[in-house]
Amino acid sequence: DTGVSQDPRHKITKRGQNVTFRCDPISEHNRLYWYRQTLGQGPEFLTYFQNEAQLEKSRLLSDRFSAERPKGSFSTLEIQRTEQGDSAMYLCASSLAQDRGTPYEQYFGPGTRLTVT
Amino acid sequence: GNSVTQMEGPVTLSEEAFLTINCTYTATGYPSLFWYVQYPGEGLQLLLKATKADDKGSNKGFEATYRKETTSFHLEKGSVQVSDSAVYFCALSDVRGSGYSTLTFGKGTMLLVSP
Repeated sequence: DTGVSQDPRHKITKRGQNVTFRCDPISEHNRLYWYRQTLGQGPEFLTYFQNEAQLEKSRLLSDRFSAERPKGSFSTLEIQRTEQGDSAMYLCASSLAQDRGTPYEQYFGPGTRLTVT
Repeated sequence: GNSVTQMEGPVTLSEEAFLTINCTYTATGYPSLFWYVQYPGEGLQLLLKATKADDKGSNKGFEATYRKETTSFHLEKGSVQVSDSAVYFCALSDVRGSGYSTLTFGKGTMLLVSP
């Protein structure tokens, strides 16, 4: 078990550029989540995948954001035409399916810190 | 909607002091409750959890009891160590219609422990 990995760990980009982040979940986990964490705040839910299906998108996920999880394995989060307000830590988490209504633990990756200048 | 409120930090303690970090929540239904810890430069790690009222979660000397009557899940530790210095997040699970859960987090409380 190598845990959840994210790449890159840090990204500095200029306003207006596109960026893409990658998340590799724990291999047997079929559920994958993206969260965003701004300075001094707790993580906020962005989107959720069960296998390859994107089942929920938060209102925080504007049209400039898109996420994919081809083949139900790794996931990518793309931000187009970045804005300074996009500067944040982007966290990925994965989990197994629930067991009789009790949520399994979400395992978090180290995050990708995005700075938009 | 669901929300989590934590006491503001930083909480500054001397080693071996008693720790309490308050957490209250607002939720519909019966959420599970969690404490996550984030060490500098690292991702979130689950510290403990409780899935129903009156459950006590515990790990590494930390404890928290799910109090439905006061909608609280306060984190406690009897004797903190310098290595406990981190940011602590209280969270609740929000079960969606398809049976999966997302997490709603508080803003986090920074704990600083000095020798």
